[in-house]
Amino acid sequence: SQQGEEDPQALSIQEGENATMNCSYKTSINNLQWYRQNSGRGLVHLILIRSNEREKHSGRLRVTLDTSKKSSSLLITASRAADTASYFCATDLNNNDMRFGAGTRLTVKP
Amino acid sequence: ETGVTQSPTHLIKTRGQQVTLRCSSQSGHNTVSWYQQALGQGPQFIFQYYREEENGRGNFPPRFSGLQFPNYSSELNVNALELDDSALYLCASSGQINEQFFGPGTRLTVL
Repeated sequence: SQQGEEDPQALSIQEGENATMNCSYKTSINNLQWYRQNSGRGLVHLILIRSNEREKHSGRLRVTLDTSKKSSSLLITASRAADTASYFCATDLNNNDMRFGAGTRLTVKP
Repeated sequence: ETGVTQSPTHLIKTRGQQVTLRCSSQSGHNTVSWYQQALGQGPQFIFQYYREEENGRGNFPPRFSGLQFPNYSSELNVNALELDDSALYLCASSGQINEQFFGPGTRLTVL
């Protein structure tokens, strides 16, 4: 069963705008990870945030984690057409069981 | 490129047949996880192997089985294929920190 739920399911923005995707989950976690997937290919790891962290940055990516609300957000600033992909959050329950959401499909129009 | 390879890239089988998918993990990684991703869905955890032993399993029936070899490469076997087994099968390798590196996947079509 899926643990994480991304919101929105689909997002369409213009190049240069910011994109925000949200993830909610149900149970306690060790960490939460965000992945990107280009159409039908393997997933690329973007960022990992541990349960005792509240915010993390990597280049144009900013991830927040609110364990009291069991939610996380991924912000992509100054989006580019090449950012077009599906984005998934995955919760790490006990180091051998990663649960993915259904993903947010992001389209960035040039 | 993550260094994780999977073979074959595409496969077509018929209902009732058996299939074996292969994964070579990234150098230095001793853990391999397998996922099934149906069209438009997120990956679903099938199982994980750590040092040749199964180390966790998702909600998949016993006809999904696996192996991990001494060089940490892995196989996923599916018996008695069903139409709903059509999906992208992903493997991911990881080391001490559970940051998973995914292969490109094998797309299985069951007719």
